[in-house]
Amino acid sequence: EVQLLESGGGLVQPGGSLRLSCAASGFTFSIYAMSWVRQAPGKGLEWVSGISGSGSGDITYYADSVRGRFTISRDTSKNILYLEMNSLRPEDTAVYYCAKHPGIYCNRGICYSLLDWFDPWGQGTPVIVSS
Amino acid sequence: DIQMTQSPSTLSASVGDRVTITCRASQSIGTSLAWYQQKPGKAPRLLIYKASSLESGVPSRFSGSGSGTEFTLTISSLQSDDFATYYCQQYNSYSPYIFGQGTKLEIK
Repeated sequence: EVQLLESGGGLVQPGGSLRLSCAASGFTFSIYAMSWVRQAPGKGLEWVSGISGSGSGDITYYADSVRGRFTISRDTSKNILYLEMNSLRPEDTAVYYCAKHPGIYCNRGICYSLLDWFDPWGQGTPVIVSS
Repeated sequence: DIQMTQSPSTLSASVGDRVTITCRASQSIGTSLAWYQQKPGKAPRLLIYKASSLESGVPSRFSGSGSGTEFTLTISSLQSDDFATYYCQQYNSYSPYIFGQGTKLEIK
């Protein structure tokens, strides 16, 4: 069974930093693309950042709202996805979810991730940016 | 960026009703559309992918249709467990992924 478990959220002052973690299990973590999606209180869903699988070069992607401040990465030896968040702003306050992109295709022993829909999602970790 | 417009924002319905939620894309996305259900305090759950493919384990009363710029999510006979917020999401362009603003399905 695929499981994603986020941690690292909390209260941080504006301008501060925080590192979120997402522990993955139940699948070959390195192959699949992963993303972070956030949801501000009472608001809708906003994609934040994504990373392709190792066969696709671990390419990273960012929403304009976080580019230059947030960094996505993964440790395949520990099966953990990270989101390093710097220069945090009050508008970054949200529940942060990690999510797996389920699509891959394999050719001649190399598997390439697809940047498709999100399934499954973790339970989320809250981040509050406030003084 | 592709924009996704979901309607209505709120929908009041009764158990047993047939309901339809619409999602429109600002440009053609083929069938690169997913639908999610979210209940308060919970993570979103995938219902539909590729516009009309039902995720494993999702009840058959849920169905999706459409292509290009107009898509619909239909619940054929509402059950009490279906009252939640629903989001569409395009993945034709991954920079960035865009969600619709959500439709809150309420009990009438």
